[in-house]
Parts: sequence; structure tokens; C-alpha cells
Amino acid sequence: QQQVKQSPQSLIVQKGGISIINCAYENTAFDYFPWYQQFPGKGPALLIAIRPDVSEKKEGRFTISFNKSAKQFSLHIMDSQPGDSATYFCAASDSNTGNQFYFGTGTSLTVIP
Amino acid sequence: ETGVTQSPTHLIKTRGQQVTLRCSSQSGHNTVSWYQQALGQGPQFIFQYYREEENGRGNFPPRFSGLQFPNYSSELNVNALELDDSALYLCASSSGTPGTDTQYFGPGTRLTVL
Repeated sequence: QQQVKQSPQSLIVQKGGISIINCAYENTAFDYFPWYQQFPGKGPALLIAIRPDVSEKKEGRFTISFNKSAKQFSLHIMDSQPGDSATYFCAASDSNTGNQFYFGTGTSLTVIP
Repeated sequence: ETGVTQSPTHLIKTRGQQVTLRCSSQSGHNTVSWYQQALGQGPQFIFQYYREEENGRGNFPPRFSGLQFPNYSSELNVNALELDDSALYLCASSSGTPGTDTQYFGPGTRLTVL
């Protein structure tokens, strides 16, 4: 059973556009929601993370929107650049039971110059 | 500050063999988690070690085993390799402090089973 569902599977955006990736979860015990960026042949790198006590977190061009009642969260990449082309994973964890992360299936983002 | 390192980078084994993968955690981190990432998929949790003790395990068979050493580095051992074990194996370290959950990943070991 997939604990975290991610969409879309792939995304093509023009340079300067907004990239939006969505994730949904079922386990209401999850209390930490990070987003990771992964380039081919590399390990995932933490991009930005949010806890359910806030509805939005922004770091530079990256914003997480969090909807606790809907059990959904999303990543918005503003002014998308070709260098943002990578695979993005959302994840969730329950800090009370350990640091096991449940990852989504990933979104392959391509930003066209 | 030294990041998470893993060795080897690539490895080719044949079915039935055994393999050991190694991970050095980030400085100051006492928790190491191992993940398997199949091609085109998200990482799947194998197990976690906290202060040398196993602290949680995912849905992987017992032929996947691990160790954590006093310096918090870790090993992942896989016995009786199967073709489906071909994947990128990722190690992630964290501080283990409650409320500080950020996991930092290494570059991974690419295992190919023939």
C-alpha cells in the first residue's frame, strides 16, 4: 500500500513558468513532510520541509502548501529554470515512531529553455 | 562538516552471492537509515539503526541485515542475492533528536545482480 501518493509522474514546464507537484497521504500521524530533489546518479537532496502546524512555507523560489484537513501537500517552483530539471520526491514521516520516511513515486520535471 | 558517504559507488554481483555496502554518517549524526530505490521508483525503507541498535524495519526479508558501529557508520548486508535486488541503495543519516527529523542522503551504491 502506497502511504504517499504523488502526481503527476512527469511534468514539462517552460522556463519562467510555475511547476506544481502534488502529494496526498492517509496516515494522520504523519507530522513531517519533506521534499527531495534528485539528479540522475545522485542521492536525494533535501529541498524544503514543512510540519502540519503551518499551511505554507517558502524558501526562495520553492513553496510548500499544506492542507491538513485534505491530507494533501504540494510543491510549487516559481520561475522554473532548466537547472531545476530533476526528479522530485515528496515524503512523510511520523516522528513519534521513528524516522522512517515514506516516499512518493517521484515526479520527473523538465524545464524547457 | 562532512556529508554522508557510501562505498562502493557501483557493484556487480551474480545471483546467490552476498554483498556488503558501507555508509559513513554525517558528522554528529547517530542515526542511519537504509533505503532501496528501484529504477524509476521512490526510495523504500529497509531499516534504521540508532546508537548501534535496529530501530525499525520495513518490509524486507531477513536476508537484508545491517550493523551500526560505535562511530555510527553502518553496513548493509544482503545474502542470497536475487535479480530484483538490483537497485540504488541509499543511506541517510539524521541526528535522532526528537523533532529534528531531517535525513541527509548519501550518493548511493548502484548494485547490479546478474
